[in-house]
Amino acid sequence: DGGITQSPKYLFRKEGQNVTLSCEQNLNHDAMYWYRQDPGQGLRLIYYSQIVNDFQKGDIAEGYSVSREKKESFPLTVTSAQKNPTAFYLCASSLGQGYYEQYFGPGTRLTVT
Amino acid sequence: AQTVTQSQPEMSVQEAETVTLSCTYDTSESDYYLFWYKQPPSRQMILVIRQEAYKQQNATENRFSVNFQKAAKSFSLKISDSQLGDAAMYFCAYRSDYGGSQGNLIFGKGTKLSVKP
Repeated sequence: DGGITQSPKYLFRKEGQNVTLSCEQNLNHDAMYWYRQDPGQGLRLIYYSQIVNDFQKGDIAEGYSVSREKKESFPLTVTSAQKNPTAFYLCASSLGQGYYEQYFGPGTRLTVT
Repeated sequence: AQTVTQSQPEMSVQEAETVTLSCTYDTSESDYYLFWYKQPPSRQMILVIRQEAYKQQNATENRFSVNFQKAAKSFSLKISDSQLGDAAMYFCAYRSDYGGSQGNLIFGKGTKLSVKP
């Protein structure tokens, strides 16, 4: 059954700790994306990767880091430098840069206290 | 930079009736794609409909259709015969067809649609 998985669904951390959100896809997609969603806001792009071992900053990359060592995986690390990390995080993928349809995972709700 | 504006934070419709959600966008590009995504309470983002800017014909998917006005930079979504399952947040999104950011989606802030039985 193909799709995108994000784990865990809910994540709690103490302020000052780094935390890594998982995103895995078995759709054989080249491109992967991370978005952040806050109440009353649309989705904002954090990082994206068009190919393995390459990634680019999106609109709100400060305080976040990513890696793309495997085609299937695109983990996002929320560092202690991110001033307001509490949010809903969505991962997405598409066949490639030129393909218009992005498929989304179920999301991870991160709460930092 | 491109922007997407949804001017209706909330909308309400009676079951079986028709509702139209508004979206405007700003761009200097001539080739691009527009989308409507649905986010139900489960928060899973679901693609509802897409429109290629080079196509004059408005896209239709079952009960969902769009009114694409390229000159006015307007992209509204019409939901016919509304059902309780249509209740969700609806996001309008823009995708450029140029440059290094090709493929990246720019989202509006969303419209929360309620469906009354």
